[in-house]
Amino acid sequence: SAVISQKPSRDICQRGTSLTIQCQVDSQVTMMFWYRQQPGQSLTLIATANQGSEATYESGFVIDKFPISRPNLTFSTLTVSNMSPEDSSIYLCSAEGQGGTEAFFGQGTRLTVV
Amino acid sequence: QKEVEQNSGPLSVPEGAIASLNCTYSDRGSQSFFWYRQYSGKSPELIMFIYSNGDKEDGRFTAQLNKASQYVSLLIRDSQPSDSATYLCAVNVDKIIFGKGTRLHILP
Repeated sequence: SAVISQKPSRDICQRGTSLTIQCQVDSQVTMMFWYRQQPGQSLTLIATANQGSEATYESGFVIDKFPISRPNLTFSTLTVSNMSPEDSSIYLCSAEGQGGTEAFFGQGTRLTVV
Repeated sequence: QKEVEQNSGPLSVPEGAIASLNCTYSDRGSQSFFWYRQYSGKSPELIMFIYSNGDKEDGRFTAQLNKASQYVSLLIRDSQPSDSATYLCAVNVDKIIFGKGTRLHILP
């Protein structure tokens, strides 16, 4: 399975500011994904990030709020922009496995907006 | 709307017994099915995947898939206190969709 490093692991941010979360994979992967997990809830897919193309966003998520970069096959970033307390959540990066269907996760970023 | 449904629990099982976790999904086109374990405060960890109808065993874990009934389950034999966690069922339908998870509590 791929090893995925995500940082920061946690942060406390002021409302109105932005935070960029980084995700590094130890091998080249085509598909990377960003999820949000609110307290006591399951994972909600924010977007799929493919190298060399624009990210594909799920319903309810927009590029202006959650811009994503995917400069190469091992790295991606998610920015949470103009944050409000409602953005407080755990943000998880994942990458497809070698089988091409399963997903492996980074450690997650616990974001608190005050 | 593509959905994955799980009973949220908590499911309490005595140590040493078999824990049975169930999941249904709505999209008949689903091809890949996964079980993830998530400890509190940690990220999900893939423990089983299954692609074909029938059973797949890995140690104390058995995944069962019935595509006709759109049903996938996870059995944990000889349950241990360390198995206490939330178990997430996930289905790949051009993207991975997660259920809300079942909280499992193994009683010592």
